[in-house]
Amino acid sequence: AQSVSQHNHHVILSEAASLELGCNYSYGGTVNLFWYVQYPGQHLQLLLKYFSGDPLVKGIKGFEAEFIKSKFSFNLRKPSVQWSDTAEYFCAVMANQAGTALIFGKGTTLSVSS
Amino acid sequence: DAGVIQSPRHEVTEMGQEVTLRCKPISGHDYLFWYRQTMMRGLELLIYFNNNVPIDDSGMPEDRFSAKMPNASFSTLKIQPSEPRDSAVYFCASSWTNSGNTIYFGEGSWLTVV
Repeated sequence: AQSVSQHNHHVILSEAASLELGCNYSYGGTVNLFWYVQYPGQHLQLLLKYFSGDPLVKGIKGFEAEFIKSKFSFNLRKPSVQWSDTAEYFCAVMANQAGTALIFGKGTTLSVSS
Repeated sequence: DAGVIQSPRHEVTEMGQEVTLRCKPISGHDYLFWYRQTMMRGLELLIYFNNNVPIDDSGMPEDRFSAKMPNASFSTLKIQPSEPRDSAVYFCASSWTNSGNTIYFGEGSWLTVV
């Protein structure tokens, strides 16, 4: 079964700082990878996803993530964060086969101060 | 598209009472998922259905929890009897086999058991 590990529980940054949130997964086969964001009091929204092809994927709001297969990693990055990026970020993995579900990491809370 | 619709949005109930959470997936989606979110455990997959049939219920914490999907447009998650430790946000999500495994979440049902 697949599992996801997010290294940082809480990250605190000032506006304009660069962001990198770590995510590693455990699964021997082909996977689909996702980052979801949850703004305070809201539901989860898809930031970006990787299925195949270019390992560097770009998502909404200036976020991007790089899939490094040899490291089983899918880190999320943003060159310059804004106060409005304050939220909880979830990395998720799904085995690339029918009948499997999305498994989430425990999330990283990002706090951005203005 | 109306998105995944959950009800109730908020519920406060007394320990021992039965709680029923409801979900209407996006029309045409053939997968439905129930997740639970708590501070301690993050997002946990409880159960998921494919074409109304439960595929994996290994995440259901105990016999007090049950889920049904009587038809393609409706699912329930029931807790009987409820306990304070069941307090959490319960998310329903749905996806379509041909949507590239992208899962769409409802806004969640915030349950407090006192």
